[in-house]
Amino acid sequence: EAGVTQSPTHLIKTRGQQVTLRCSPISGHTSVYWYQQALGLGLQFLLWYDEGEERNRGNFPPRFSGRQFPNYSSELNVNALELEDSALYLCASSRIGFNTGELFFGEGSRLTVL
Amino acid sequence: LAKTTQPISMDSYEGQEVNITCSHNNIATNDYITWYQQFPSQGPRFIIQGYKTKVTNEVASLFIPADRKSSTLSLPRVSLSDTAVYYCLVGVGTGANNLFFGTGTRLTVIP
Repeated sequence: EAGVTQSPTHLIKTRGQQVTLRCSPISGHTSVYWYQQALGLGLQFLLWYDEGEERNRGNFPPRFSGRQFPNYSSELNVNALELEDSALYLCASSRIGFNTGELFFGEGSRLTVL
Repeated sequence: LAKTTQPISMDSYEGQEVNITCSHNNIATNDYITWYQQFPSQGPRFIIQGYKTKVTNEVASLFIPADRKSSTLSLPRVSLSDTAVYYCLVGVGTGANNLFFGTGTRLTVIP
């Protein structure tokens, strides 16, 4: 069974640009979560999607947005990139909205903003 | 909102048992406690989950006292490959904002 896949794995952008990151959950998983992890720091919760709807959002500005498609894959969009957006962006999926189950993480997309 | 506190770092020699404790004083009745392991530049990986008392699987044990305000991850006979960051997570239900990964504990296993 394929795990959570993310693309691209690495990318470099400049300040003010926009970026789209993609995530494909494990087959059968309907919930997708996005996290940001700056170098050497912990995971910061960004967004949670389930059944195509945004269920919850972390403490991030509106220029961080996303969506979930009918096939449960998801995109994370970041507009007007700032230097501090440089981080590893991790996507996770679970079978239903997080309850007692575990989150399955992808390998992440490393974004560098110059 | 349940928030977790863990030691920032720990060192251990190969072959020793390592115990990492997590404090979660505001844990809610329905919250479960989950531990993840993360290697550099990789996504976290589920280790173990529990609600109360003791849970054991092939890689670790999780001890949870009756008041559930803390939990201890126990790694038996660690090896160099266990060097990683370990996160304690407390949460439940639809409130994904309750998904606090905290700072994590950086475990370094020494030869």
